[in-house]
Amino acid sequence: KNEVEQSPQNLTAQEGEFITINCSYSVGISALHWLQQHPGGGIVSLFMLSSGKKKHGRLIATINIQEKHSSLHITASHPRDSAVYICAVRKTSGSRLTFGEGTQLTVNP
Amino acid sequence: NAGVTQTPKFQVLKTGQSMTLQCAQDMNHEYMSWYRQDPGMGLRLIHYSVGAGITDQGEVPNGYNVSRSTTEDFPLRLLSAAPSQTSVYFCASSLPGQGHEQYFGPGTRLTVT
Repeated sequence: KNEVEQSPQNLTAQEGEFITINCSYSVGISALHWLQQHPGGGIVSLFMLSSGKKKHGRLIATINIQEKHSSLHITASHPRDSAVYICAVRKTSGSRLTFGEGTQLTVNP
Repeated sequence: NAGVTQTPKFQVLKTGQSMTLQCAQDMNHEYMSWYRQDPGMGLRLIHYSVGAGITDQGEVPNGYNVSRSTTEDFPLRLLSAAPSQTSVYFCASSLPGQGHEQYFGPGTRLTVT
């Protein structure tokens, strides 16, 4: 079993819908990262969080340390949000990241 | 700032050939890492470095070498390419003082025939 599991693997939505992507992990962590990979292949960091909630524009990330779970929400989704969203955790014991397999999001107009 | 740069963007090798993937960053980041990305497997760590002169192995180091003679550069060497090394390779850098927020290069798509 992977240490970081994402769900769903694939998600198709209509423009304007509220989207949730989930990430569960099974190890102690010092931080959790959400990354976005666009069809062109580039990867950018969206959020880095160790507790609570962060918001940037239409994106919201939450984490529940006790339940070892994080969610990424997109409000008022848009076709330009179509991308792969990747969850990664930094274990308490080191500096390396462990990645989930990613969630492919497609937002149709 | 150019951020993290990688060259080449695409490469085709024959089995047994060697080559070096280049990675450079201009943000004075201490940490640099090489990942490979394969379908259905997520990003996997090949090698990483916590500073100039210091490198260590990640999850999948076999067949690859690295060195870190300067803070800016972190080249990845394929010693004798194999078809199993066909993948997309990403270099990333981060700074512990910034919580290790990751900055990724644009990637190198490598095909080994």
